[in-house]
Amino acid sequence: GQQVMQIPQYQHVQEGEDFTTYCNSSTTLSNIQWYKQRPGGHPVFLIQLVKSGEVKKQKRLTFQFGEAKKNSSLHITATQTTDVGTYFCPGGYNKLIFGAGTRLAVHP
Amino acid sequence: NAGVTQTPKFQVLKTGQSMTLQCAQDMNHEYMSWYRQDPGMGLRLIHYSVGAGITDQGEVPNGYNVSRSTTEDFPLRLLSAAPSQTSVYFCASSYSRGSTYEQYFGPGTRLTVT
Repeated sequence: GQQVMQIPQYQHVQEGEDFTTYCNSSTTLSNIQWYKQRPGGHPVFLIQLVKSGEVKKQKRLTFQFGEAKKNSSLHITATQTTDVGTYFCPGGYNKLIFGAGTRLAVHP
Repeated sequence: NAGVTQTPKFQVLKTGQSMTLQCAQDMNHEYMSWYRQDPGMGLRLIHYSVGAGITDQGEVPNGYNVSRSTTEDFPLRLLSAAPSQTSVYFCASSYSRGSTYEQYFGPGTRLTVT
């Protein structure tokens, strides 16, 4: 299956600072999805990227898919305490391998 | 729609006991899967199914059995519980809309094996 490495594993920011997490694969990905899991909750789908070089925005969140379809990033502008959680970037369609994700802590 | 439901929410087992974690979805999703999440860890795929009557192994299948007799239900069976199986278990289902295969997750079952 497709394995995606995500960095950093943990990030602590002050509220209002920007945040970026990166996903990297050694193989070309057919697509990549992003999920958010709040503490004590379950993962929730955010977005899927399919096309090379694709950029999608959801309010303060910007998602990018690399030109070679081997990497992706999630950038959050001006973090808020509601952004706290773990962000995952599994690749593949059905057999999604999630990995450890990036845990974001936001201090007010 | 209730979405993806899981029962029970909490369970304590003794080593060697067996039990079944229930998962049901009412969205007519073809694809269903089971993940486990250990403290501070990511999600690891246990088993998945692409349709009724079809199942396959994920990353960590040992100690677990699954079956998919209907589209709606995908139970996970622990054959002989071990402390290493203490974890939070999530069931997920997938809805195909064009090229989008977003996974819908249930609320999870928190299992402790003593």
